[in-house]
Amino acid sequence: GAVVSQHPSWVICKSGTSVKIECRSLDFQATTMFWYRQFPKQSLMLMATSNEGSKATYEQGVEKDKFLINHASLTLSTLTVTSAHPEDSSFYICSAYLLAKNIQYFGAGTRLSVL
Amino acid sequence: RKEVEQDPGPFNVPEGATVAFNCTYSNSASQSFFWYRQDCRKEPKLLMSVYSSGNEDGRFTAQLNRASQYISLLIRDSKLSDSATYLCVVIGSNDYKLSFGAGTTVTVRA
Repeated sequence: GAVVSQHPSWVICKSGTSVKIECRSLDFQATTMFWYRQFPKQSLMLMATSNEGSKATYEQGVEKDKFLINHASLTLSTLTVTSAHPEDSSFYICSAYLLAKNIQYFGAGTRLSVL
Repeated sequence: RKEVEQDPGPFNVPEGATVAFNCTYSNSASQSFFWYRQDCRKEPKLLMSVYSSGNEDGRFTAQLNRASQYISLLIRDSKLSDSATYLCVVIGSNDYKLSFGAGTTVTVRA
């Protein structure tokens, strides 16, 4: 079964609205979670590293004010795409890092379509 | 230069064939290497880790060549269900960040 739950799996929204995506580790506590974005036929690109209890670390070129990350507990990280625009349409995937096994487990992804 | 580069393929092979492909990485200090499998519109799933001495998991064999900075994946006796995109993943020496290749697409035909 899934060890990382990501919701929603699919979102269609109007331009200008905000969308929140949740990522939960189900069987373990994850002090570190990651958010990726994948455009069609391209590789996953790391957007930010989410650290429980502290500010997220964003990769170069990713706007922190547009992609708000909150990691308030050891099992939950959220990504909010603020004022979404059509160019934000993409496949967003989270992962949770299990230190004991040195493995990242991925959520099922969220397909965002902004009209 | 990209951190991780892969031949995008596609590799179209008949059932039962052997298919192999490589992935090169640019950071010589990279410590951990993995192959993930991604099906269309789905999340990546770990296929296997890649160890220095090479390792095998059923029909899948992974090799690491540190001198030339590449890893390889070989699939024997291909099944239709092996059709997917195979992602090469590398972790640097200082953090847990994964660097993904763009993937190699394999299509196994009946």
